[in-house]
Amino acid sequence: AQSVTQLDSQVPVFEEAPVELRCNYSSSVSVYLFWYVQYPNQGLQLLLKYLSGSTLVKGINGFEAEFNKSQTSFHLRKPSVHISDTAEYFCAVSEGSGSRLTFGEGTQLTVNP
Amino acid sequence: DAGVIQSPRHEVTEMGQEVTLRCKPISGHNSLFWYRQTMMRGLELLIYFNNNVPIDDSGMPEDRFSAKMPNASFSTLKIQPSEPRDSAVYFCASSAQGRPSGNTIYFGEGSWLTVV
Repeated sequence: AQSVTQLDSQVPVFEEAPVELRCNYSSSVSVYLFWYVQYPNQGLQLLLKYLSGSTLVKGINGFEAEFNKSQTSFHLRKPSVHISDTAEYFCAVSEGSGSRLTFGEGTQLTVNP
Repeated sequence: DAGVIQSPRHEVTEMGQEVTLRCKPISGHNSLFWYRQTMMRGLELLIYFNNNVPIDDSGMPEDRFSAKMPNASFSTLKIQPSEPRDSAVYFCASSAQGRPSGNTIYFGEGSWLTVV
């Protein structure tokens, strides 16, 4: 069975500071990895995904993530955050193309002025 | 291009009433998922369909919950009778599972359910 652990439930940062949201996964097979963002009272929007190939993937809004197979991690990073990045971020894993996602518990990113 | 469409967006109902949530997946997608989001349990997969057939309903909490997918463009999630602990956000999502371009699951805006 697959599982996802997001190591921080809340991450407060100041505007223009860098941020890293941590995600570790567990699976017995090859996986696809995703980061979704949820703004208040909205649905889930895909930020980026890792399927294969280059371990550094770039997404929308200046976010990027690095897949590390040996550490079973997929941490999300942004070099300089904005107030508008305040949201909840979910790491997710699936074991097949378009198949079910297993989500982490979520990390609330709060960007302060 | 229309995304996943859910209705109603918000519903407030009394305990014991029947609730029906509706979903229209993205045209051409062959997999449909129902997720529930609560503060206590986060995002949980309730059930998913592939080619209109339920594949895994192990996440459905109890017999009060049922889901159907009568055709490729419509699905319902029904709660009967509803209870206050069913209050949550219910998300529908779809994907083109197994296809080269189908590796992303797209979510609707959710149905906010409050049972009083």
